[in-house]
Amino acid sequence: DAMVIQNPRYQVTQFGKPVTLSCSQTLNHNVMYWYQQKSSQAPKLLFHYYDKDFNNEADTPDNFQSRRPNTSFCFLDIRSPGLGDAAMYLCATSRVSSAPDTQYFGPGTRLTVL
Amino acid sequence: AQKVTQAQTEISVVEKEDVTLDCVYETRDTTYYLFWYKQPPSGELVFLIRRNSFDEQNEISGRYSWNFQKSTSSFNFTITASQVVDSAVYFCALIRPAGGFKTIFGAGTRLFVKA
Repeated sequence: DAMVIQNPRYQVTQFGKPVTLSCSQTLNHNVMYWYQQKSSQAPKLLFHYYDKDFNNEADTPDNFQSRRPNTSFCFLDIRSPGLGDAAMYLCATSRVSSAPDTQYFGPGTRLTVL
Repeated sequence: AQKVTQAQTEISVVEKEDVTLDCVYETRDTTYYLFWYKQPPSGELVFLIRRNSFDEQNEISGRYSWNFQKSTSSFNFTITASQVVDSAVYFCALIRPAGGFKTIFGAGTRLFVKA
């Protein structure tokens, strides 16, 4: 029973062509995260939503945007992908109240930029 | 500064060997949470364990065990009688409530278990 679903699993786009990655969750968690993971590196947090509040990391390029239309869905928009944006993009969710709870990760979307 | 160090980049063992993955963390906070995640070749990060800073009790789950020692700021992970399916990248991570619940990951340790 998938709890964090990411679509598509593999995405190929052209240099400069906008692309949207999607994430959905069945856990009803209030926090959703987007991470970028390049080969042989740790995941790097791009931004997260705490309910409807958007929290951008200071070093996340403006090229990356996100939308969360409701609790279950969150989208990552890359406005003009460059070759350096080729990576695995991981979505995660957690239930945050008085203490941080475990983050549950989706299977990831591997983005290729031609 | 907050930091998680996994000094072992890659470890290679033969099946049935025991292996310990090291994790050393830095934080000045008194309240924090430590995690281990497994990332198999499929790519999904799989949660293994969560430990808060007030609970130094070691934990065993099947072939997995964790040793948390605040005195040395370490949270090491041991796999007993390793199996080929244990081959993956393992990440140690730290969350500080004072840091807005941002997860600080170590660089990961790639474990190869050979048959």
